[in-house]
Amino acid sequence: DAKTTQPNSMESNEEEPVHLPCNHSTISGTDYIHWYRQLPSQGPEYVIHGLTSNVNNRMASLAIAEDRKSSTLILHRATLRDAAVYYCILREYNQGGKLIFGQGTELSVKP
Amino acid sequence: GAVVSQHPSWVICKSGTSVKIECRSLDFQATTMFWYRQFPKQSLMLMATSNEGSKATYEQGVEKDKFLINHASLTLSTLTVTSAHPEDSSFYICSVFPPSTDTQYFGPGTRLTVL
Repeated sequence: DAKTTQPNSMESNEEEPVHLPCNHSTISGTDYIHWYRQLPSQGPEYVIHGLTSNVNNRMASLAIAEDRKSSTLILHRATLRDAAVYYCILREYNQGGKLIFGQGTELSVKP
Repeated sequence: GAVVSQHPSWVICKSGTSVKIECRSLDFQATTMFWYRQFPKQSLMLMATSNEGSKATYEQGVEKDKFLINHASLTLSTLTVTSAHPEDSSFYICSVFPPSTDTQYFGPGTRLTVL
């Protein structure tokens, strides 16, 4: 599985946008970029995923670099409930569903 | 979205005993489920892939005789930690990968403490 690199931690102020970066320089052409987050003492939850084009959903936006070697998860207005560990994961499409988690970015949100 | 439940949510047991953790897919049938383990302040580690009607596939370094997985129906997978020891104390999380989707849904986790 291709590897991702994320900052260990980031801080944000409430109601401000947050940009969470992820580097994946060894990404292959069939790897999808997935983002999950884990709130304290809970199982992870799906946030968003994409292949080449930028993606938007009700939770967040995903901006993918043109060369696909990096991506950024964007939370448009951080709330206290967004404080979590965010994981950027590469997964080859239709390859059994296995997710290999890296260390993730711990996001703290200040009121 | 899909709902996955786990039971129990937490369990405390004595060293040497066995503990069974259940993972249920409530919204759909799942031929494949995954089991993860997470130690404090660490990331999730995939333990095994649970396949309905067949043997589980274990990740390298995970003892299959210690962590018994049974996926007897399309909505239930169980993980049994046999002869548990304090180092098995961890947060165990299951997930379901619905067919025809590219999203994995996780259970709320089970916190195991072995005394």
